[in-house]
Amino acid sequence: GAVVSQHPSWVICKSGTSVKIECRSLDFQATTMFWYRQFPKQSLMLMATSNEGSKATYEQGVEKDKFLINHASLTLSTLTVTSAHPEDSSFYICSARDPEWDRSLNQPQHFGDGTRLSIL
Amino acid sequence: LAKTTQPISMDSYEGQEVNITCSHNNIATNDYITWYQQFPSQGPRFIIQGYKTKVTNEVASLFIPADRKSSTLSLPRVSLSDTAVYYCLVGGRTGGFKTIFGAGTRLFVKA
Repeated sequence: GAVVSQHPSWVICKSGTSVKIECRSLDFQATTMFWYRQFPKQSLMLMATSNEGSKATYEQGVEKDKFLINHASLTLSTLTVTSAHPEDSSFYICSARDPEWDRSLNQPQHFGDGTRLSIL
Repeated sequence: LAKTTQPISMDSYEGQEVNITCSHNNIATNDYITWYQQFPSQGPRFIIQGYKTKVTNEVASLFIPADRKSSTLSLPRVSLSDTAVYYCLVGGRTGGFKTIFGAGTRLFVKA
């Protein structure tokens, strides 16, 4: 249980293209999902918190017009990198909490396997 | 959110027990301590979580002293496949479950 799926796992596109990444909770409903970015040999950096039915909350320094987040249902959040440039090339990871997953714990996040974005 | 500090890297040999300590001096009363493992080009995977004292599951143990300002992840008898980056995170309901990743510890297990 508690599986989070990301799609696509890998995408290469030209500079100026907009790219959409999907994050799905496969067997649970997630009112909150998180989006991270990770550069090579570095840790994960939280970009934004995606809330179902409301606007996402962005971390300081993350351009909300650049990284559009939509959380239209309890099982799907999308991240769109608009007008992507080579500096946006990175590994993007989403996570979600399953409120029903082992109530004895403090609802740890379950992560997708990431999307590697390469902008040429 | 409490900041965490871990050793940048550790080396070990197969079959040894590995202990990775994390400092979190500013942990809040309602915060939990969670450890994740990450392999290259994959998302982090949950290992173990605790609030105080000792927690054990099928893959690891987590030791938390009474003041909760640190925690130690213990991996018994590591194998080559345990080579990964290990992250200690602190957070909980009060912070909206938002988690800030520290630098993590890169564990390298040698034959």
